[in-house]
Amino acid sequence: GAVVSQHPSWVICKSGTSVKIECRSLDFQATTMFWYRQFPKQSLMLMATSNEGSKATYEQGVEKDKFLINHASLTLSTLTVTSAHPEDSSFYICSARSGLAGHNEQFFGPGTRLTVL
Amino acid sequence: GENVEQHPSTLSVQEGDSAVIKCTYSDSASNYFPWYKQELGKRPQLIIDIRSNVGEKKDQRIAVTLNKTAKHFSLHITETQPEDSAVYFCAANLIQGAQKLVFGQGTRLTINP
Repeated sequence: GAVVSQHPSWVICKSGTSVKIECRSLDFQATTMFWYRQFPKQSLMLMATSNEGSKATYEQGVEKDKFLINHASLTLSTLTVTSAHPEDSSFYICSARSGLAGHNEQFFGPGTRLTVL
Repeated sequence: GENVEQHPSTLSVQEGDSAVIKCTYSDSASNYFPWYKQELGKRPQLIIDIRSNVGEKKDQRIAVTLNKTAKHFSLHITETQPEDSAVYFCAANLIQGAQKLVFGQGTRLTINP
């Protein structure tokens, strides 16, 4: 159980285009999903917290108009990188957590490697 | 807010020996402390976690200890094997709001055959 999928696993795009990444919880309902960014040999940097049916909460320094997050259902959250630039190239990982009381565990998706040319 | 410090940043041990990774946290209200293992290019995988109402938890070769007074927790891996080589992250939760996790900087563990 507790499987999280992410699509695509990798994407290459041209500068100025937008890229959408999907995160799905396959066997549980995720009331909260988190989006992280990870640079090579570095830790996970939280970008935003996504709650089903409400607006995402962004971490300080993360542009909400640049990184659009939608959590339309209890099993799906999407991250859209708008007008991507080479500095947006990174490994983007989502995680999902159920809303059950006492269940703090976050389960991670396999990540999406974004390369902006 | 919460701050999590993790040491060492790199650790190399001989196969069969034990490895210990330590983390400290700043927010005494934190009550959930997971450890993740991440292999190169792959997702972080939860390997063990501990809640603040216990001091130690063990799962086969892996154990975690928690000292709430000192605000530190440690990961212990015994009888290390080559497949234990990976980057390990500790984390602590923020009680307020969505209970986000704050991650340590990571430890690159290498098991030498």
